[in-house]
Parts: sequence; C-alpha cells; structure tokens
Amino acid sequence: EAQVTQNPRYLITVTGKKLTVTCSQNMNHEYMSWYRQDPGLGLRQIYYSMNVEVTDKGDVPEGYKVSRKEKRNFPLILESPSPNQTSLYFCASSFSPFPGFGLAATDTQYFGPGTRLTVL
Amino acid sequence: LAKTTQPISMDSYEGQEVNITCSHNNIATNDYITWYQQFPSQGPRFIIQGYKTKVTNEVASLFIPADRKSSTLSLPRVSLSDTAVYYCLVGGDMRFGAGTRLTVKP
Repeated sequence: EAQVTQNPRYLITVTGKKLTVTCSQNMNHEYMSWYRQDPGLGLRQIYYSMNVEVTDKGDVPEGYKVSRKEKRNFPLILESPSPNQTSLYFCASSFSPFPGFGLAATDTQYFGPGTRLTVL
Repeated sequence: LAKTTQPISMDSYEGQEVNITCSHNNIATNDYITWYQQFPSQGPRFIIQGYKTKVTNEVASLFIPADRKSSTLSLPRVSLSDTAVYYCLVGGDMRFGAGTRLTVKP
C-alpha cells in the first residue's frame, strides 16, 4: 500500500530537549516536505527536499532542521524545542515539487497521518 | 503562482448536494486544479483533479468553466462523514491556505 508514515504520532516534551520526528514514504517519490498546521494559519511549509542530499527552507524554517540521506526518509529535527513549536506536523511526498503543473500536471501530494507535538 | 479564493466555511445537511467554488483568476495555461480533503487531526488527502470541463470520480465531481478562472467541487448527497476542510490548489502552488470548512448537520 502506497503510504507516508510518521513517528511518533503524539509527543509531549519539554523545552530544550532535542527530538526527531521520522517520515518515510514507499512510493519512490523524489520530493518530500514538512508542514506545520496551527489553528487559523492553515498548513505552512517548514522545509522541503527535491532529492537525496538536496534540502531547502520553506516558509517557516526557524528552529527546525532536516536531512535527506535516503530517498525514502526525511526526518524533522528540533534541536532545542520551544513552546511556540507546539503544533500538528505533517510530512508529504510527491514525484514532482510542483504537482499539478506542467509535466507533473497529474501528480499529487501524499500526506502522512500527522504528529501532534506539545512542548512544555 | 495562481492565488485561490474560496469560502471560509459552509454548512449543509445530510443528503444535500454541496458545491464549493474556488476562484483562481491568474491560473496559467499548464496548471491543473486539485482539491484536497482534510479530516480533523489527519493529513490532507487528494480527492479530485481536473484541467477543464467536468471530472467525476467516486467521491466528487469537479466543474471547470471554459475560462478556467474558477472551479466548483461538487459533493453529491453529503453525509456527516463529509465534514472536513476542503482545499483548492492550482498548478504547483502548495500553499494550502485556510480552505473551506464544511460542516454537515443531521
């Protein structure tokens, strides 16, 4: 079954304690990204990756790191979490960075189930 | 990138047809229109995509007029389980915005 998986699904931690949220996809997608979702703000992109070893900042990258050592995995790292990073996080993947456009017109994004993070 | 505008919220009742319209005046020639559905505490999921005229699948229909400056997602005979947020995206723009929060009442 084609899917994007995230772990953990729920996490409560304290300020400053480093954490990693894992993301894995089994569709051989080139493009992966991380979003956070907060009430009233919709989905905001944190980081994205075009391919292995290629990552770039999205709209809200401060306080986050990512790595893409393998095509299927794209972990999100919070080196020193703070309460304002309490949010619902989604990982997503697609064949193209621009699904719905041009040669990737019929491509779509697949989202993981989400990770609800609380930083105390 | 084409900006989209859609209603913030809509209410409906079970069994009714719901139409959600999205405006995208600056759509480019190569852009497809894609709709996603998001249930509470779940990731968005693709429901339908189209380029022009009408597209129908087992979940919804998508109507796109000739000028392609808008599109309408049609959900036939909604049930309580269709309560969700619906996002309209155009081309490669992955900015989801606030979407349309559909509430289906019994």
